Amino acid sequence: AQKVTQAQTEISVVEKEDVTLDCVYETRDTTYYLFWYKQPPSGELVFLIRRNSFDEQNEISGRYSWNFQKSTSSFNFTITASQVVDSAVYFCALSEANAGNMLTFGGGTRLMVKP
Amino acid sequence: NAGVTQTPKFQVLKTGQSMTLQCAQDMNHEYMSWYRQDPGMGLRLIHYSVGAGITDQGEVPNGYNVSRSTTEDFPLRLLSAAPSQTSVYFCASSYLTSGGGETQYFGPGTRLLVL
Repeated sequence: AQKVTQAQTEISVVEKEDVTLDCVYETRDTTYYLFWYKQPPSGELVFLIRRNSFDEQNEISGRYSWNFQKSTSSFNFTITASQVVDSAVYFCALSEANAGNMLTFGGGTRLMVKP
Repeated sequence: NAGVTQTPKFQVLKTGQSMTLQCAQDMNHEYMSWYRQDPGMGLRLIHYSVGAGITDQGEVPNGYNVSRSTTEDFPLRLLSAAPSQTSVYFCASSYLTSGGGETQYFGPGTRLLVL
């Protein structure tokens, strides 16, 4: 069965620090998709990125970057030069191709960025 | 586009009462789903639908019913509310493709308190 683990429940950093959020997943499928969502204090879930299992290229979007490593079953998320507006709960999620669009979420990491 | 909308935003129920959480989307998405979010557990899938007239159970379906009479709407019914159903409920929608793993877009959530 699929599983997503976010071992860091809470991280606190000072503004402008870099921070990495870890995500480790388990799946038996060879085709799967990985996602990151952001949940700011207002409560909505904001989609950040989707990556399929055949694309191990790292991705950068502004201050955000993602490191996908199949060898370690990890899909880590780094925020460079963190800002107070980055304070949120971040969820990593997995969707197996055989399971349609069903998402399995990790428990989330609460990031607090202090000024 | 309004995206995914949910009503109500907040509800208080007494044990044993019934209610329906409403969800609608205007993106012509085939796939719709309901998740519940509990502290430290991420989001867990309750029910999902791959099209009008077709629904199926997710990870935690007990105590909930769904139906899908139109593409746009996917209501979630609690027949006899229990304190264990106190949670935040999110509805999501996405396209449906043969390869699965499509990005799901979430509604703003409904916070439910069962006394």
